[in-house]
Amino acid sequence: QQQVKQSPQSLIVQKGGISIINCAYENTAFDYFPWYQQFPGKGPALLIAIRPDVSEKKEGRFTISFNKSAKQFSLHIMDSQPGDSATYFCAASQGDSGYALNFGKGTSLLVTP
Amino acid sequence: GAVVSQHPSRVICKSGTSVKIECRSLDFQATTMFWYRQFPKQSLMLMATSNEGSKATYEQGVEKDKFLINHASLTLSTLTVTSAHPEDSSFYICSARSRGRAGELFFGEGSRLTVL
Repeated sequence: QQQVKQSPQSLIVQKGGISIINCAYENTAFDYFPWYQQFPGKGPALLIAIRPDVSEKKEGRFTISFNKSAKQFSLHIMDSQPGDSATYFCAASQGDSGYALNFGKGTSLLVTP
Repeated sequence: GAVVSQHPSRVICKSGTSVKIECRSLDFQATTMFWYRQFPKQSLMLMATSNEGSKATYEQGVEKDKFLINHASLTLSTLTVTSAHPEDSSFYICSARSRGRAGELFFGEGSRLTVL
């Protein structure tokens, strides 16, 4: 059972545009929501993460928006660059489970020049 | 930043042999390590959770006798794929949680296993 649902499956954005990836979850016990970036043949790298006590977190060109009542969170990549082309995974975890991550299915992002 | 090292990055073995993959946290103590499996163009699937000095907890459907996990120290966990078969070919990725940095997980670079 997929505990975190991610969309879209793939995304094509022009250079300079905004990339938006959405995720939804059911388990209200989740208390940590990270986003990971993965390049082919590499392990995932933590991009940015948020906890449910805030509605938005920004780090450079990356912003997480969090809607606790809707149980949704999204990643916004501003001024998207070709180097951002990768697969992005949202995830969720809870402290009681030792923070084992439940991953979304991933979004393949292609930023065209 | 915290670094997690996996070795080997690629391994090819014959069917029926066993393969060991190491996962080390290089600059922090990992109280918990997780092992994931990833098929091409798919998400990461949690296989097991291991805490230092105790037995690993396996996810439903993962054979504990086939995927042996040892977490002997706060910086090292190993995954041994026993009697490997072609269907075990996959990308195996470990992650580690640092003591004092609740929730934040650091991933290794992954190990590509190909069983002939």
